[in-house]
Amino acid sequence: AQSVTQLDSQVPVFEEAPVELRCNYSSSVSVYLFWYVQYPNQGLQLLLKYLSGSTLVKGINGFEAEFNKSQTSFHLRKPSVHISDTAEYFCAVGSNFGNEKLTFGTGTRLTIIP
Amino acid sequence: EPEVTQTPSHQVTQMGQEVILRCVPISNHLYFYWYRQILGQKVEFLVSFYNNEISEKSEIFDDQFSVERPDGSNFTLKIRSTKLEDSAMYFCASSERTGGFYEQYFGPGTRLTVT
Repeated sequence: AQSVTQLDSQVPVFEEAPVELRCNYSSSVSVYLFWYVQYPNQGLQLLLKYLSGSTLVKGINGFEAEFNKSQTSFHLRKPSVHISDTAEYFCAVGSNFGNEKLTFGTGTRLTIIP
Repeated sequence: EPEVTQTPSHQVTQMGQEVILRCVPISNHLYFYWYRQILGQKVEFLVSFYNNEISEKSEIFDDQFSVERPDGSNFTLKIRSTKLEDSAMYFCASSERTGGFYEQYFGPGTRLTVT
């Protein structure tokens, strides 16, 4: 069984400040890790993904995340946020061990303060 | 850029009524999924579908739910007799293939309100 924990339900950050959204996962098999963003009243958009290879992955809109197997983490970072980054961010885990479903965390609402 | 589309964007129905949520996956994709998100909660997997049959379903996906690919383009989720707790945003997703994990592309969702 897989699970994802996003400890921070809400993160307020001043504009142009850095941000880190935390994600920890649990799985008994090899995993693939994802961050999705959901803007108000919209669907889910993939920000970035880790499938294999380099543990530092870069995504759209200046976001990046680092896969840390020993700490079972996949934290999302951005060095300088903008008002347009205000959204809900979901971490998700998948595996190819017999199924391809995604297991999502509870989400982190990022609010940018002007 | 190809995208997954869903109709309607918002559906209001009375408890006990049947609803059909429609999705048009990306044309060359082979795997289809339904997820739901109850307001304020996380996105939950409902069912995956491949080669005209269910690959996997969650505990949520009971006998009240069914999925179908009635033609070469549509993928539908039917709730036979809706309950208040079925009120949620329903997302359809599709992926090109699996085995090594390929990105799932999500549609904009259908907000279902059961009164």
